[in-house]
Amino acid sequence: GAVVSQHPSWVICKSGTSVKIECRSLDFQATTMFWYRQFPKQSLMLMATSNEGSKATYEQGVEKDKFLINHASLTLSTLTVTSAHPEDSSFYICSARDIMAVLTEAFFGQGTRLTVV
Amino acid sequence: GENVEQHPSTLSVQEGDSAVIKCTYSDSASNYFPWYKQELGKRPQLIIDIRSNVGEKKDQRIAVTLNKTAKHFSLHITETQPEDSAVYFCAASIDTGANNLFFGTGTRLTVIP
Repeated sequence: GAVVSQHPSWVICKSGTSVKIECRSLDFQATTMFWYRQFPKQSLMLMATSNEGSKATYEQGVEKDKFLINHASLTLSTLTVTSAHPEDSSFYICSARDIMAVLTEAFFGQGTRLTVV
Repeated sequence: GENVEQHPSTLSVQEGDSAVIKCTYSDSASNYFPWYKQELGKRPQLIIDIRSNVGEKKDQRIAVTLNKTAKHFSLHITETQPEDSAVYFCAASIDTGANNLFFGTGTRLTVIP
């Protein structure tokens, strides 16, 4: 199946700093990618929809100025957690879908575990 | 927006027995219902999906049923094995190509050897 790569797999940062997470589709193009957050033992919650060449669409309750999303190409979307705080510690995971395929699954990245200390 | 509920939250079965996980959804426009298996700290893996034009789909030991009228769908795992132990998530979306998934709360399945 298609491969979505997320980097880094884990990161520890100090409170107040910013962290950038990359999501790449390695063998297909994706006009749309999705960013989810997953707290321990909880479900995946959609944060935002990343659209190539345009602004991201954020879900209700997600601060767009805190979680900056950039989708500069058909294979790369980035999520930047700005001024991170301990409550931002979570598992962040992206997904993407092949624009050339019809009726296909969403492919997930391996996730990024963010710990803010 | 879509609201997906999933039950039970935990499920323990003896090896060889069947496991059933149920989900309901709220948006009648949803037409794509995948099930994901997630092991601790890893990405969700699609195990089976169903679209609204069919009522049941089976893949070896795994089957999914869909009742569009009642807005619920279920995952059935037969002849469970210890390696089936994981967290299972159902999801729903309007499959317009954007593939915006709304997930259920998850079920932690434990298969006891």
